[in-house]
Amino acid sequence: DAGVIQSPRHEVTEMGQEVTLRCKPISGHDYLFWYRQTMMRGLELLIYFNNNVPIDDSGMPEDRFSAKMPNASFSTLKIQPSEPRDSAVYFCASRSDRALDEQYFGPGTRLTVT
Amino acid sequence: GQQLNQSPQSMFIQEGEDVSMNCTSSSIFNTWLWYKQDPGEGPVLLIALYKAGELTSNGRLTAQFGITRKDSFLNISASIPSDVGIYFCAGIRAAYNTDKLIFGTGTRLQVFP
Repeated sequence: DAGVIQSPRHEVTEMGQEVTLRCKPISGHDYLFWYRQTMMRGLELLIYFNNNVPIDDSGMPEDRFSAKMPNASFSTLKIQPSEPRDSAVYFCASRSDRALDEQYFGPGTRLTVT
Repeated sequence: GQQLNQSPQSMFIQEGEDVSMNCTSSSIFNTWLWYKQDPGEGPVLLIALYKAGELTSNGRLTAQFGITRKDSFLNISASIPSDVGIYFCAGIRAAYNTDKLIFGTGTRLQVFP
């Protein structure tokens, strides 16, 4: 079975540019989570969806961040405008409603904003 | 955001040695998960625990859900070079109607041949 798929794997952009990160969850999973990982703050949950509906976005740092899930097999995390402090690794994870709390992570997108 | 206290922060061991690490909190948890992260990759789920006192093994890995529900432990027996990586605990707090995992700060394991 294919795991969680993320693209791009690496993104380098200039400050002020729009960045879009993409995620395809494991087929059949009802939950999708977006995380950010930095050395200083570790793994932080940004937002999560259940059946394509955003449930908790309290971790989204600012209005510059937005996430959508237009269907069960696709989600985006957008940063507009990007800033150097947004540089981090962004992970998407998914979970089945029938597998209790076990989340499965994608390989991540390493974002560098210069 | 809140993180779980994980110790030790790092370990440098000889191949063949056993490894122990733990995760503690002042809050009660309903679920404990242990993940391993290799460089440049996402965390990979190793073991999931759902009941206080539960002891679960996955090959050379054994994890336990602490009886107080405030801690969890991971042991690796007879370590090998491919055990190198960062190990994270994660949990879901009791009394919170949430699907949100709280992550530990990580234990970085280095294995020398």
